[in-house]
Amino acid sequence: DIVMTQSPDSLAVSLGERATINCKSSQSILYPSNNQNYLVWYQQKPGQPPKILIYWASTRESGVPDRFSGSGSGTDFTLTISSLQAEDVAVYYCQQYYSTPVTFGQGTKVEIK
Amino acid sequence: QVQLVQSGAEVKKPGASVTVSCKASGHTFANSAMHWVRQGPGHRLEWMGWINAGNGNTKYSQKFQGRVTITRDTSADTAYMELSSLTSEDTALYYCARGDIVTGGNSFLRFDSWGQGTLVTVSS
Repeated sequence: DIVMTQSPDSLAVSLGERATINCKSSQSILYPSNNQNYLVWYQQKPGQPPKILIYWASTRESGVPDRFSGSGSGTDFTLTISSLQAEDVAVYYCQQYYSTPVTFGQGTKVEIK
Repeated sequence: QVQLVQSGAEVKKPGASVTVSCKASGHTFANSAMHWVRQGPGHRLEWMGWINAGNGNTKYSQKFQGRVTITRDTSADTAYMELSSLTSEDTALYYCARGDIVTGGNSFLRFDSWGQGTLVTVSS
């Protein structure tokens, strides 16, 4: 199974400042034939199910604000919130869909400083 | 707009089985991969398996193989997850989630819509 490890486990950021979350996979999730990274980011607010933010490591889902961006390739990925808003308080998860079983990172809790 | 509505909370005794349903609307059910993901007290998300709503083929996580059965009823646009031989370790929030079969490229393994979750509590 591919192990997904996020860092940090939690972070506190001031409103309007940048938040950066890292995700590392235990093996490459870059598919050579299409040069795509099979990584998705979700946001989960308290009492709600996860919501997809970004897929293919860097493609924003329709309707997701452009302050959210994803980057990285191979085994190392980053989710960046360029200017943190109050409504961004949530737990963020990465997930690989390169192979089954699909696996998730342990989550990163983002709070306001 | 895709909507997934799950059945209500369950309390079960150890050794029992539980079935959770997930009714879909707002999309073509047959084009969907219907997955089940659970979230335990530590909040880690754990994939259990999926069913191709079109042809009924299933695949399960090795961890749950033999204990989980995922089915669907195309006439009701509903997917079901049955988990047997319950223990306290199975106490969790169970989600159904949808992937798109049509797009291709393993896209069916990422989840564009989620149900609201069903809390299953296993207690003697």
